[in-house]
Amino acid sequence: DAGVTQSPTHLIKTRGQQVTLRCSPKSGHDTVSWYQQALGQGPQFIFQYYEEEERQRGNFPDRFSGHQFPNYSSELNVNALLLGDSALYLCASSSAGIRSNQPQHFGDGTRLSIL
Amino acid sequence: GNSVTQMEGPVTLSEEAFLTINCTYTATGYPSLFWYVQYPGEGLQLLLKATKADDKGSNKGFEATYRKETTSFHLEKGSVQVSDSAVYFCALTGTGFQKLVFGTGTRLLVSP
Repeated sequence: DAGVTQSPTHLIKTRGQQVTLRCSPKSGHDTVSWYQQALGQGPQFIFQYYEEEERQRGNFPDRFSGHQFPNYSSELNVNALLLGDSALYLCASSSAGIRSNQPQHFGDGTRLSIL
Repeated sequence: GNSVTQMEGPVTLSEEAFLTINCTYTATGYPSLFWYVQYPGEGLQLLLKATKADDKGSNKGFEATYRKETTSFHLEKGSVQVSDSAVYFCALTGTGFQKLVFGTGTRLLVSP
């Protein structure tokens, strides 16, 4: 049973570019959340998708956007990249919607480096 | 808003030593509490959880008890191994919502 899978593993971009990160949730999960983890810090919540809609959003600018597809997979898009966007981006999936205390399962992340 | 405070690391121990990593939280209502572990180059793995006061979560020899009176969820293990070396994150979800709020993490280094 595959867990949460993310692609690509690593990515290098330059300032001002745009990037798309992808996530496939664990089988049976319908809710996807994205987190940003800066070096040496805990993950910070970006947003959460359920039933193809953004349901909750953290304190991130509109440059960060996302999408969830009918098969529950998800994309994170970041426009106008800044040096400060360099981080590990983690995708997490869970079941039973946004109001559940079911644990979230994390992928191994995408390491994004901005030059 | 909700927040989590963890003891700063690194915590350096010899194999078979007793481990405690302190975690306290601030939250309204009745949060669920979690410990996640992150090995080098990997994502986060759920270690244990507790969803109500006085619950004890346990897994792989690790334990933590949800203490509402002290707003704490300290992680303990009786005898650590070299393979336990990792970064440990305490986290919570607010009442009824899945958004995880993490602490800054505590690095554990175990030497043979």
